[in-house]
Amino acid sequence: AQSVTQLDSQVPVFEEAPVELRCNYSSSVSVYLFWYVQYPNQGLQLLLKYLSGSTLVESINGFEAEFNKSQTSFHLRKPSVHISDTAEYFCAVSEDSGTYKYIFGTGTRLKVLA
Amino acid sequence: DAGITQSPRHKVTETGTPVTLRCHQTENHRYMYWYRQDPGHGLRLIHYSYGVKDTDKGEVSDGYSVSRSKTEDFLLTLESATSSQTSVYFCAIKVGVGEETQYFGPGTRLLVL
Repeated sequence: AQSVTQLDSQVPVFEEAPVELRCNYSSSVSVYLFWYVQYPNQGLQLLLKYLSGSTLVESINGFEAEFNKSQTSFHLRKPSVHISDTAEYFCAVSEDSGTYKYIFGTGTRLKVLA
Repeated sequence: DAGITQSPRHKVTETGTPVTLRCHQTENHRYMYWYRQDPGHGLRLIHYSYGVKDTDKGEVSDGYSVSRSKTEDFLLTLESATSSQTSVYFCAIKVGVGEETQYFGPGTRLLVL
């Protein structure tokens, strides 16, 4: 069965330091992968996605994620974080099944410290 | 902005009362979804719709029903609200053909006393 694991529930990091938020999934079929960000008391915003093609995808605000099929991972990275990156980050997986349903991970709270 | 609105944005109700949440989209997208968000669980799919009058269950559908009588509206009903249904509810739409991405509404905070 399809599942998504975000092992780190909270990640504190100092401003300008690098960060990696981990996401692993399990699926027996082709998948699409997504990272969403949720700022306090707001909805979810799409950060980046992997549908096909290049396994390295980037967002406009400096985040990147790499699809690793052999390790079934889609970790999110940023080389230098800002205070404004403080938010909750959700990894989601959608199987290529025609229903476009997502399975979400439980989320990782990124806390950027001054 | 994917043109999604949810109403009400906040609601307090009592156990045993019926509650209906509305999701409205302005762009005639076929697929719509209802999720609930709870601490430690992320977002979980309640029900989804793939067209007018076409709906199916998600992973946490017990206690919920949905209806979609027109493309732009997807209603989520709690027939008899329970405290375990206190949550934040998000509606989402899937945009475009060959575009697997969902976009989310602003959410509805529901408190069942």
